[in-house]
Amino acid sequence: DIQMTQSPSTLSASVGDRVTITCRASRDISSWLAWYQQKPGKAPKLLIYDASTLESGVPSRFSGSGSGTEFTLTISSLQPGDFATYYCQQYNVYWTFGQGTKVEIK
Amino acid sequence: EVQLVQSGAEVKKPGESLKISCKGSGYSFSSHWIAWVRQMPGKGLEWMGIINPDDSDIRYSPSFQGQVTISADKSISTAYLQWSSLKASDSALYYCARRRSGTYDPFDYWGQGTLVTVSS
Repeated sequence: DIQMTQSPSTLSASVGDRVTITCRASRDISSWLAWYQQKPGKAPKLLIYDASTLESGVPSRFSGSGSGTEFTLTISSLQPGDFATYYCQQYNVYWTFGQGTKVEIK
Repeated sequence: EVQLVQSGAEVKKPGESLKISCKGSGYSFSSHWIAWVRQMPGKGLEWMGIINPDDSDIRYSPSFQGQVTISADKSISTAYLQWSSLKASDSALYYCARRRSGTYDPFDYWGQGTLVTVSS
């Protein structure tokens, strides 16, 4: 099994802040990594795939980087609608999610 | 418009059986694998298994192998997740999701979720 570890678990930030979330894989997954956003009571939404490709319709303030075992999701300027929980997911061998990072209002 | 519409919330007793559904529309249902994902109350996302609706090839997560059964009927564009004997610990929100077609793929469209409550 490939384990995915996100940090931090919770992040307090203000509107306009630059926010970075880290995801580490237990072994090399190349660039087979996605990021999802989930708001309370809603299904997850795909933001980024292949580590750095923005899904259609997703604002450009979201970006992803990394390869191998270390990845980051960056929100360049946090907007009110961005307060949510974010999950990374590897799809190199089956599928595994990180435990999630909750971005809350500071 | 691609849509995955799941069946409604269920309240069951321990030991009962259950089958929930996920109906796809707006795309060729047979061309994309359908995954099931569990989210326990206040917790994260867990991949349970995935089915190719075209030939019913199924892969289960080791954590869920033997605990649930995944199936699909491509003639009605519907995938299923079923339990033969529910436990209280099966209480959770269950999502279906479409795997983007390719060799390595994330899940690009999700159903709205089906809440399953198991209580005596």
